Amino acid sequence: DSGVTQTPKHLITATGQRVTLRCSPRSGDLSVYWYQQSLDQGLQFLIHYYNGEERAKGNILERFSAQQFPDLHSELNLSSLELGDSALYFCASSVGVSGGFHTDTQYFGPGTRLTVL
Amino acid sequence: AQSVTQPDIHITVSEGASLELRCNYSYGATPYLFWYVQSPGQGLQLLLKYFSGDTLVQGIKGFEAEFKRSQSSFNLRKPSVHWSDAAEYFCAVGANSGGYQKVTFGTGTKLQVIP
Repeated sequence: DSGVTQTPKHLITATGQRVTLRCSPRSGDLSVYWYQQSLDQGLQFLIHYYNGEERAKGNILERFSAQQFPDLHSELNLSSLELGDSALYFCASSVGVSGGFHTDTQYFGPGTRLTVL
Repeated sequence: AQSVTQPDIHITVSEGASLELRCNYSYGATPYLFWYVQSPGQGLQLLLKYFSGDTLVQGIKGFEAEFKRSQSSFNLRKPSVHWSDAAEYFCAVGANSGGYQKVTFGTGTKLQVIP
């Protein structure tokens, strides 16, 4: 158990809908990262937040957005869902003292499996 | 832009045998390099990482990796594989791009361990 929690575990929805995925980082971690893992695209980094501020962006679509709240939990919002958005979405957290993406060890949550029908 | 290639999609080894998983990267400067493992139904776990210094990096679970700049490689090795090592392994490269720090993952190598 990494200490990172993600809810829900599974989510089934229809095309065009909007969903919110939630991540609670390990106690004391300031950085939160979101990743998407799909059969088509493989594993992709989406976005990184450090202490409430966006720090890095990867291949995140404009239909997707994220935020990190004052209590450090994070939410990933996916809107106008398409079939191709079906994937496993991972959240990871790190201490993030320096906000350094590459130097911090990231701890991954178990993921949320999103199925778009 | 950086990229990572893991040429082996699937590898099968016998328990107790040695293991080497290949990883080649493309990046103009000195990269940050990582190996992650993903067990079925689980998130990723960092095995080891390289930033600078000694090119032979020791990780958890008895894994090691060697950075070879001349070959643009960062291969993962283990001298004796255990059945519990069956999983998918991802190589990743981190780089600074447009003021952001980003990571790019390889497509993964699935390891099967047979008795």
